[in-house]
Amino acid sequence: GAVVSQHPSWVICKSGTSVKIECRSLDFQATTMFWYRQFPKQSLMLMATSNEGSKATYEQGVEKDKFLINHASLTLSTLTVTSAHPEDSSFYICSAKELAGEPYEQYFGPGTRLTVT
Amino acid sequence: RKEVEQDPGPFNVPEGATVAFNCTYSNSASQSFFWYRQDCRKEPKLLMSVYSSGNEDGRFTAQLNRASQYISLLIRDSKLSDSATYLCVVDNSGGYQKVTFGIGTKLQVIP
Repeated sequence: GAVVSQHPSWVICKSGTSVKIECRSLDFQATTMFWYRQFPKQSLMLMATSNEGSKATYEQGVEKDKFLINHASLTLSTLTVTSAHPEDSSFYICSAKELAGEPYEQYFGPGTRLTVT
Repeated sequence: RKEVEQDPGPFNVPEGATVAFNCTYSNSASQSFFWYRQDCRKEPKLLMSVYSSGNEDGRFTAQLNRASQYISLLIRDSKLSDSATYLCVVDNSGGYQKVTFGIGTKLQVIP
């Protein structure tokens, strides 16, 4: 149980285009989903916290107009990287918290590797 | 000072060896601590939670020292399959159930 999927697993796009990444909890309901970014040899950095039916909460330094997050249902959150640039190339990972789970227990998706050329 | 600090390694150990990692955290209000394992180019996976009394899961033992604000992970009888990056994760007590990840300690078990 507690499986989280992400799609796509990898994507290459041209500078200036937008990319949408989906995060789904497959067998549980997730009121909260988190979006992380990980650059090579660095730690996972939280970008934003997404709560179903409300606006996402962004971490300091993360542009909300560039990284659009939508959490329309209890099983799906999307991250759209708008007007992507090469510096946005990174490993994007989502995680989901189960509705009735332990406070800090979260399940991670397999990640999406974004390369902007 | 970083919120969560780890020695990035790499730690190269022979099979069968015992290896220990430490992780220090800066927020004295943190209450929840975890060790995650991350394989190369993969997502992190929970290895174990760290309880005040310490806990053991097979070859893995985790300890918490609140006074000195660090947690540790001990791996006994290392296997080749233990080769991975071990991430220290601490709640940041800032609400919304957020956690902070350390940079991870890379372990390479060699035959």
